[in-house]
This record gives sequence, C-alpha cells and structure tokens, in this order.
Amino acid sequence: DQQVKQNSPSLSVQEGRISILNCDYTNSMFDYFLWYKKYPAEGPTFLISISSIKDKNEDGRFTVFLNKSAKHLSLHIVPSQPGDSAVYFCAASAYNQGGKLIFGQGTELSVKP
Amino acid sequence: GAVVSQHPSRVICKSGTSVKIECRSLDFQATTMFWYRQFPKQSLMLMATSNEGSKATYEQGVEKDKFLINHASLTLSTLTVTSAHPEDSSFYICSAREDLSNQPQHFGDGTRLSIL
Repeated sequence: DQQVKQNSPSLSVQEGRISILNCDYTNSMFDYFLWYKKYPAEGPTFLISISSIKDKNEDGRFTVFLNKSAKHLSLHIVPSQPGDSAVYFCAASAYNQGGKLIFGQGTELSVKP
Repeated sequence: GAVVSQHPSRVICKSGTSVKIECRSLDFQATTMFWYRQFPKQSLMLMATSNEGSKATYEQGVEKDKFLINHASLTLSTLTVTSAHPEDSSFYICSAREDLSNQPQHFGDGTRLSIL
C-alpha cells in the first residue's frame, strides 16, 4: 500500500521558469510533510517542511503548499536553476506513529539552461 | 545545520561476510535514528527505527537477525548486515532527528554495499 505517491517520475523545466512537483497521500493521520532533494549516491538533503496546521510554507525560491482536503501537497521552485536538477522526494510522518517517514517514489527534475 | 555522518560510503565484499555501517549525528543528540534501504530507481524504504538504550523497532518483512542494529549512544547507531549475500546489495542510508518535536530527519550520505 503506497501511502505517499509521486505520480510523475520525471519533470523537465526551462531555466528561470517555475517547477511544480506534486505529491499525494492517503493516510489522514499524517501531520508533517517534508521535501528532500537527492543526488545519485548521496543521502537526501532536507529542503522544506510543512505542518498540517498550515497550508503554505515559503523559504527563498521554495514554497510548499498543502491541501489537506485533497490530501495533496506540492513543491514550487521559482525561478528554477540548472543546479536544482536532482530527484525530489516528498515524505510524510504521523506523530502517533513514532515520526517515521514514509517516502514517495521520487520525481527526477531536469532544469535545462 | 544538522550533520549526519555515515561510514563507510562504499563496501565491496565476499558473500558470507558481515558488514558494519556507522551513523553518527555530529552536532546534535538523537535518541532516535532510522535506517533506510534504497533499490535503484525506487523510493527509500524504512527498515528499522533505532532507539538509544533499547531494542530497535523493525518494519514488517525486515529480518532482525539479519540486520542487527545497536544504538550505543545519543550520537551513534550501527547497522550490521550479518552473513551478507548478493541480494543484500543495496544503498543503505541512515537518518537522525534532533530530540524536538517536528524536526526534520537529516540523512547521512549512504553506504553502497556490493556483495560478490
């Protein structure tokens, strides 16, 4: 049972444009959501997070939106830069489940100059 | 920011060998650390939750006798793959979280394990 889903395995965007990465979840007990960026043969790097009591969190070029009724979150990167090219994972956790992270399958973002 | 160090980064060894991987939180204390496994082109799958001073909690389908976890201190957890076989070849990643609510997990750089 895939509780966190990233339905787009890849995304290609032109430099300077907006990148929108999407994530859906099924477990209504999730109360904390995170986005990680990962390069090959490296561990994931934390980007941004959002608590379920909020619907938006912004940090520089990165903004995460949470729509609890739709069980959907998205990561917006604007403007996109070639250095943003990587695999992006969304993850979710529930406080009453020990805070362990459930990851989506990842979306490979390619930002072209 | 929080730093997690994982060692070694790569291991190549013969079938039947036991391999130990270390995970250290360098600038914070972590009562809880996590061990993940990632297959090529797939997501990170949680293997177990490592608890300082107590037994690890394993996810369904993960053999506790195969993957021994020891959380010796608030900054160190080890994963030992016992009697490793080729099917154990994978990318193993640890993470740690500061002992505060709603803090993100920070990940090590992973260990590429190749069993010949």
